[in-house]
Amino acid sequence: QAVVTQEPSLTVSPGGTVTLTCGSSTGAVTNGHFPYWFQQKPGQAPRTLIYDTSNKHSWTPARFSGSLLGGKAALTLSGAQPEDEAEYYCFLSYSDARVFGGGTKLTVL
Amino acid sequence: QVQLQESGPGLVKPSQTLSLTCTVSGDSISNGNYYWNWIRQPAGEGLEWIGRIYTDGSTKYNPSLKSRVTISLDTSTNQFSLKLNSVTAADTAVYYCASIYSSRNYWGQGTLLTVSS
Repeated sequence: QAVVTQEPSLTVSPGGTVTLTCGSSTGAVTNGHFPYWFQQKPGQAPRTLIYDTSNKHSWTPARFSGSLLGGKAALTLSGAQPEDEAEYYCFLSYSDARVFGGGTKLTVL
Repeated sequence: QVQLQESGPGLVKPSQTLSLTCTVSGDSISNGNYYWNWIRQPAGEGLEWIGRIYTDGSTKYNPSLKSRVTISLDTSTNQFSLKLNSVTAADTAVYYCASIYSSRNYWGQGTLLTVSS
């Protein structure tokens, strides 16, 4: 089964910019993996921020954006807010399964 | 607005079968625009995809769980279900049901399932 890798933790200053990445053990991540990005805060269910690489939901703050970067899926946060402190998970589709990354704990400090 | 709600026993004994149900409201479960998923999260750990079912009944499962998992649809009650047999303490987790298909992303609030004698 494929392994999806994320940075275990990242720190960003309030108002700053940070990029979280999502790699695949099978090779480059492409649009064909339909990358999703989920945000999860303590005690809450995850919620979708980005679907199909770069599409936002109506509830996704404009400061979040998704892309492909250097063979990985990427989630960029521009202008971090204290409420963005959370765990972020990527999710990739493969022919036989779907796989979550291990998650990135984002600290806004 | 589509809403999902998990329900289950809360406690299961080791070696028994775990059964959870997800009730969908706001749309028909047989609408071809959804993939219905089960996902779990042990305390303090990350998310693990268990499997999913489409409206035609076709399924995909996590290879590491495939031998123990069955996901099914009940269109008469607008529910889908998870069965996981031969459970151990390692199956203790919060279990989520979710629709994950393009823009149709909806999650239940999760239900804690504890495996203990």
